[in-house]
Amino acid sequence: GAVVSQHPSRVICKSGTSVKIECRSLDFQATTMFWYRQFPKQSLMLMATSNEGSKATYEQGVEKDKFLINHASLTLSTLTVTSAHPEDSSFYICSASGLAGGTNTGELFFGEGSRLTVL
Amino acid sequence: AQSVTQLDSHVSVSEGTPVLLRCNYSSSYSPSLFWYVQHPNKGLQLLLKYTSAATLVKGINGFEAEFKKSETSFHLTKPSAHMSDAAEYFCVALSNDMRFGAGTRLTVKP
Repeated sequence: GAVVSQHPSRVICKSGTSVKIECRSLDFQATTMFWYRQFPKQSLMLMATSNEGSKATYEQGVEKDKFLINHASLTLSTLTVTSAHPEDSSFYICSASGLAGGTNTGELFFGEGSRLTVL
Repeated sequence: AQSVTQLDSHVSVSEGTPVLLRCNYSSSYSPSLFWYVQHPNKGLQLLLKYTSAATLVKGINGFEAEFKKSETSFHLTKPSAHMSDAAEYFCVALSNDMRFGAGTRLTVKP
């Protein structure tokens, strides 16, 4: 069945460095990818929506130059946190919707999430 | 624009008793509706989904939900709670865009 593989599951980095999180769709074509951020004990906050081959659409208040999203293929989307700072520490989750066997799945598939800790 | 409201931020039940997690939606179009469960530091797992077929949807782990258009509701239920059901639950609506409910934390007491 359709699966979204997200990695790394955990990453620790120094302040000022950049971190890349990948989401790969398995057995389906992720025409749309959503990236979320989740603060402790809170709901998921949608950061941006990207359609394959197009620039991502960012939600209000999300810095597009800080959170770079690439969705160059139907099976891979990446989120790069540039010049990370401790306040960027969070749980990041991707989800994808798209085509499986040529049919729109009408469903979201979520990655396992990536916990980023910036020291 | 659409929105999703989970009416309870926290629900506490005793093991073996019924579970009811409430979700109301507003949408200009008939959305697809989902319930997801999230265990601590984990991604989201799909419990069930409604996509305009049967209004009573059965999911995994004994959960089910009923789509009631007249009430714009999609409440999640389970006849008998298990300790392993303790988690955060999210109701999600998907049509032209996607909206998450704020989440309901389910606590199961022994």
